Amino acid sequence: SQTIHQWPATLVQPVGSPLSLECTVEGTSNPNLYWYRQAAGRGLQLLFYSVGIGQISSEVPQNLSASRPQDRQFILSSKKLLLSDSGFYLCAWSGPSGYTDTQYFGPGTRLTVL
Amino acid sequence: ELKVEQNPLFLSMQEGKNYTIYCNYSTTSDRLYWYRQDPGKSLESLFVLLSNGAVKQEGRLMASLDTKARLSTLHITAAVHDLSATYFCAVAQSYNTDKLIFGTGTRLQVFP
Repeated sequence: SQTIHQWPATLVQPVGSPLSLECTVEGTSNPNLYWYRQAAGRGLQLLFYSVGIGQISSEVPQNLSASRPQDRQFILSSKKLLLSDSGFYLCAWSGPSGYTDTQYFGPGTRLTVL
Repeated sequence: ELKVEQNPLFLSMQEGKNYTIYCNYSTTSDRLYWYRQDPGKSLESLFVLLSNGAVKQEGRLMASLDTKARLSTLHITAAVHDLSATYFCAVAQSYNTDKLIFGTGTRLQVFP
C-alpha cells in the first residue's frame, strides 16, 4: 500500500531564516505531487505541483520554491521566511494513471514563523 | 476564475438528526471531491464524484453531484459524535487537470 511521509511535523523558525520541508511517497511510482498551505481556520491553497522529476509548476507568487530531485521526493524551500509563511503545510500525491485520481494527503508540517 | 463556496461554515447539530452541507462552484468542472479533516490533522478522502448525478454513500454520509447546477451536497443521516470534523469539498479547476480548488470548509460539531 502507498504511504506518504512529511517532516518535520512541527517547526518554529525566526523571520528571515531558511526553510526546508520534505515529503516522500512509498509504494507507488511516478506519482503526481502537490504542496498545499492551510492558514489557521481556512481552506487549502495549492502552492506547487509536479508531474515528474524536475518538473514544477508554481500556482502562487511567493518567496517559496519547490524541487523534486527524485521520483518520490518533493521538497518545499524558502531562503528567507516571512511571518505570513506560517501555516499548516500539506503534501499530497495522486496516481499517474489519470487526472481523476484522488489526492491523498500526508500528515502535514505545522510551521510557525516568529 | 473558479470559486468554491460551502455552506454553512459552521454547523452544530444534535446526535440523531439529519443535515446537509452544500458546495457550490462557479464554473464548469467534471470532478468533485469531499474530504474530512479532524482538528490538527491532515485530510482524509471521503468521496470522488465524477459525473452528473453521481451518488456515493459511506456509512452515515452520502454525497451527490449535479454538474448542471454546479452543486454538490453532503448529507448526514442520524449524526453521531464521531462525525464531528471539518468537511471540505474540492473542485477540479478545469478538464484534464489535477489542480483542485478547495472550499472554505464546514466545521461540524455533533453534540449529545
